[in-house]
Amino acid sequence: AQSVAQPEDQVNVAEGNPLTVKCTYSVSGNPYLFWYVQYPNRGLQFLLKYITGDNLVKGSYGFEAEFNKSQTSFHLKKPSALVSDSALYFCAVSSGSSNTGKLIFGQGTTLQVKP
Amino acid sequence: NAGVTQTPKFQVLKTGQSMTLQCAQDMNHEYMSWYRQDPGMGLRLIHYSVGAGITDQGEVPNGYNVSRSTTEDFPLRLLSAAPSQTSVYFCASRINRSWGEQYFGPGTRLTVT
Repeated sequence: AQSVAQPEDQVNVAEGNPLTVKCTYSVSGNPYLFWYVQYPNRGLQFLLKYITGDNLVKGSYGFEAEFNKSQTSFHLKKPSALVSDSALYFCAVSSGSSNTGKLIFGQGTTLQVKP
Repeated sequence: NAGVTQTPKFQVLKTGQSMTLQCAQDMNHEYMSWYRQDPGMGLRLIHYSVGAGITDQGEVPNGYNVSRSTTEDFPLRLLSAAPSQTSVYFCASRINRSWGEQYFGPGTRLTVT
């Protein structure tokens, strides 16, 4: 069975500092990994994905994520946080060997960027 | 394109009432899903469909029914609402069952009293 864990309910960072939002996963077969962001009272928006290839993937709004197979992790990063990055972030996983295409989400991490 | 649309935005039901949450997409996507979002639990998959006429259960299907008679529409039915179904419901679509980006609707906030 697929599962995703986001170990931090909330991450606080000062504007201009680097940020990391953590995600670990469990899946049979090759993982397809995603990050989504949710602003208040809105639906989720796609940020980036890892399917295959380079372990460092770049996405929208200056975000990037690093795939680490040995640690089964896919942490979201940004070199310099903005107050406008404050939102709820979700990691999600699908299995490359699955024929259902089910996308399973983590619990979400609230990112708070203080000026 | 309107993308993924959901109606209604808000709904209050009494226990035992039934209703249908509507979801439509105009991107000709084969794959559609319903999720519920609850505090501290993230998004949980209720039902999904890989194409018209084909549906299957997700993580939390009990109390919900779906059908997919057209590519565009994927309604979610609550046959007898319970307070445990108070949640925010999101519909999503993507081009097919493979790894494409998933597009989400704006959500329906449902309260069952």
